[in-house]
Amino acid sequence: KQEVTQIPAALSVPEGENLVLNCSFTDSAIYNLQWFRQDPGKGLTSLLLIQSSQREQTSGRLNASLDKSSGRSTLYIAASQPGDSATYLCATNQAGTALIFGKGTTLSVSS
Amino acid sequence: DARVTQTPRHKVTEMGQEVTMRCQPILGHNTVFWYRQTMMQGLELLAYFRNRAPLDDSGMPKDRFSAEMPDATLATLKIQPSEPRDSAVYFCASGEVGTAYNEQFFGPGTRLTVL
Repeated sequence: KQEVTQIPAALSVPEGENLVLNCSFTDSAIYNLQWFRQDPGKGLTSLLLIQSSQREQTSGRLNASLDKSSGRSTLYIAASQPGDSATYLCATNQAGTALIFGKGTTLSVSS
Repeated sequence: DARVTQTPRHKVTEMGQEVTMRCQPILGHNTVFWYRQTMMQGLELLAYFRNRAPLDDSGMPKDRFSAEMPDATLATLKIQPSEPRDSAVYFCASGEVGTAYNEQFFGPGTRLTVL
């Protein structure tokens, strides 16, 4: 059964820092890996989706990479801002199936 | 701007009462998921449908929970009777399985409190 782990559980950084969030998964037979953002009391916003055949995806200051063989993905946030403060969740699935989520990393960016 | 909608957004009820949550998936999406989020367990799948047919409800307590799709524009999740341990945020998500990306789009959630 797939297990998704995110480390660290919480992270505090000063504004302007570049940072990396980590996600690992136990079964490399994935179809997609998706990164989400969740603000307190809110729903999930999809940030990036990486297909199993891809190595990375970029959107603005965000870059997500995928290494299936080692069961790892990273989310790189460049030049962090206080508005980036949120919980970041990664999730994987097989084709057409439900997502399996990690517990998330709660990021706090101070000004 | 296509999005998944859920009603109600908040629900407070007493133990033993019936609770019904509704979801309108994005038009054209053929797969609908119900997830539950708690502090202890995080986000977990309850059930999902493809083309309105249930594919997996293994995450759902069958004695009290039921999920249906009466038509392509409506998915429902019902709890009867509700218990305090059902307090959580319930998310609906939809996606178009069969496309290149299989991306899932989430609704805003229903925050349920059972007293």
